[in-house]
Amino acid sequence: GAVVSQHPSRVICKSGTSVKIECRSLDFQATTMFWYRQFPKKSLMLMATSNEGSKATYEQGVEKDKFLINHASLTLSTLTVTSAHPEDSSFYICSARWDGADTQYFGPGTRLTVL
Amino acid sequence: GDSVTQMEGPVTLSEEAFLTINCTYTATGYPSLFWYVQYPGEGLQLLLKATKADDKGSNKGFEATYRKETTSFHLEKGSVQVSDSAVYFCALSDRGGSNYKLTFGKGTLLTVNP
Repeated sequence: GAVVSQHPSRVICKSGTSVKIECRSLDFQATTMFWYRQFPKKSLMLMATSNEGSKATYEQGVEKDKFLINHASLTLSTLTVTSAHPEDSSFYICSARWDGADTQYFGPGTRLTVL
Repeated sequence: GDSVTQMEGPVTLSEEAFLTINCTYTATGYPSLFWYVQYPGEGLQLLLKATKADDKGSNKGFEATYRKETTSFHLEKGSVQVSDSAVYFCALSDRGGSNYKLTFGKGTLLTVNP
């Protein structure tokens, strides 16, 4: 139980284009989803927290106009990297939790490479 | 604010050796504590958790005890295997906040040699 999927697992795009990453909770209703970024050999950096039906709350220093987050249903959240640049290349990981739970369950991650 | 400190890696062990990865925390409230494991190129998997003082979390031969008096949650395994090679993250969850955000340690890379 508590499975979270991400799609795509890898994406390569050209500089200036936008990329959408999906995060799905497969067997539970995710009232809260989180988006993280991980640099090589580093810990996870929380980018934003989203509650279903509400606007996402972004961490300090994260550009909300560049990293668009939508949490339209209890099983799906999307992260869109707009006008991507090479410095946006990274490993993006989502997680989800259900109402009242203190545990986050993580997706397998998406490797974004911007050329 | 909340913080998690875990021992710097990398840690290199031979198969069947005993493993300890130290983790200490500071928190304003009464957090839940977690160990997550990340295999190369993958997301994080929950390894074990504990929600109150003196609780012991255990899974796959790993265990950790929530020590409130020493604010610690050290990870141990009696006999490691090559397949245990991964990065291990200690984390706490702020149960006082409405979204249960996680605060992570920096991660410890474990390599187990045959």
